[in-house]
Amino acid sequence: QLVLTQSPSASASLGASVKLTCTLSSGHSSYAIAWHQQQPEKGPRYLMKLNSDGSHNKGDGIPDRFSGSSSGAERYLTISGLQSEDEADYYCQTWGTGSGVFGGGTKLTVL
Amino acid sequence: QVQLQESGPGLVKSSETLSLTCAVSGYSISSGYYWGWIRQPPGKGLEWIGSMFHSGSTYYNPSLKSRVTMSVDTSKNQFSLRLSSVTASDTAVYYCARLPYGSGIYYFDYWGRGTLVTVSS
Repeated sequence: QLVLTQSPSASASLGASVKLTCTLSSGHSSYAIAWHQQQPEKGPRYLMKLNSDGSHNKGDGIPDRFSGSSSGAERYLTISGLQSEDEADYYCQTWGTGSGVFGGGTKLTVL
Repeated sequence: QVQLQESGPGLVKSSETLSLTCAVSGYSISSGYYWGWIRQPPGKGLEWIGSMFHSGSTYYNPSLKSRVTMSVDTSKNQFSLRLSSVTASDTAVYYCARLPYGSGIYYFDYWGRGTLVTVSS
């Protein structure tokens, strides 16, 4: 069964960098995923599609501060130069056999 | 710029049918892509409901499949969701989104702002 696992929370200081992780379940390490950001009281926004080789395609207007990388079954979202507006929930998402799958989300707090 | 806007009743009675519409602008539905619905119960994460192509091909979440129907109206450039026999657990913000295909997956690249639907007893 295809499952995406994310840590429930993360925190980092203003101006620092943070790396969020999304782990694909066993047998699915070659899958691409997408990262989405959901700021408080807003709808989700597409950040990027991230492939197993670390290549990624960002959405319209996504700053260079957001980047993606991959290692095995793990997919990473790195945010550099953290700003207050980066405080949000971050979800990874992929597609199984005829089904969309979301991770549980990571709540990022900017200190 | 692709934009999506959900609309529909904000309050639905238990056991009745929830009906929502997503109006698309900036892109013609009949030109391609799958289009989908996602929901988010208060304080919880995202749940995929279903997706459909303009030709009618559909994918539904197995846990909701018996209650979900999606349809497309290309003349109005909109698509719709019907969820029957609703209960309080169907209370959520409902989002519509576009799904391109790439690198072996469908993913959501444009999202609506969402609409809150509350199921009352």
